[in-house]
Amino acid sequence: EADIYQTPRYLVIGTGKKITLECSQTMGHDKMYWYQQDPGMELHLIHYSYGVNSTEKGDLSSESTVSRIRTEHFPLTLESARPSHTSQYLCASSELTGSYEQYFGPGTRLTVT
Amino acid sequence: AQSVAQPEDQVNVAEGNPLTVKCTYSVSGNPYLFWYVQYPNRGLQFLLKYITGDNLVKGSYGFEAEFNKSQTSFHLKKPSALVSDSALYFCAVRPPRGNNRLAFGKGNQVVVIP
Repeated sequence: EADIYQTPRYLVIGTGKKITLECSQTMGHDKMYWYQQDPGMELHLIHYSYGVNSTEKGDLSSESTVSRIRTEHFPLTLESARPSHTSQYLCASSELTGSYEQYFGPGTRLTVT
Repeated sequence: AQSVAQPEDQVNVAEGNPLTVKCTYSVSGNPYLFWYVQYPNRGLQFLLKYITGDNLVKGSYGFEAEFNKSQTSFHLKKPSALVSDSALYFCAVRPPRGNNRLAFGKGNQVVVIP
């Protein structure tokens, strides 16, 4: 198992609430990513970061925002949760150069009622 | 832009039989190719990768994959499937230059029947 952690693992929350999904890694990786995984399994990149103070939007438009103040920490925030945000959210990290594979956290399963 | 196709939704195989999960890709230049496995309620685990060199790549848990440039394929194989291999398998590709963004296939559910 890679050293990348996500909390909470499961979250059920009402519409309109603000939530933050936490992701941290202890591998010193510069690159970090957030993916949204449909119930039908497909992965969609929603945010990524090349390092501290770097954030970019991914391929799938998302109402969430991210920040990268520390190398090891890449939280994702939803200001006002909606049922359409119900999904599995996966965080990943990788080296800036070299081996290229991404290491994934265990995921957060979010349900918005 | 790079893309991956995993044509089968589900692969059923009897325990002890060979397992193959198919993947074809599209990318500019020589591809970097990856296979990941996902067990229920878990994140993706890296299985193996092809960057350069020998077309047959060996990875974790007895899995291997063969890179075929002419067919733009990177099929995952295991000679003898175990019930514990039942999981979701993802193929991914990225180009050799530019950002480190992977393009994932839609995933294949593998069911190994005892």
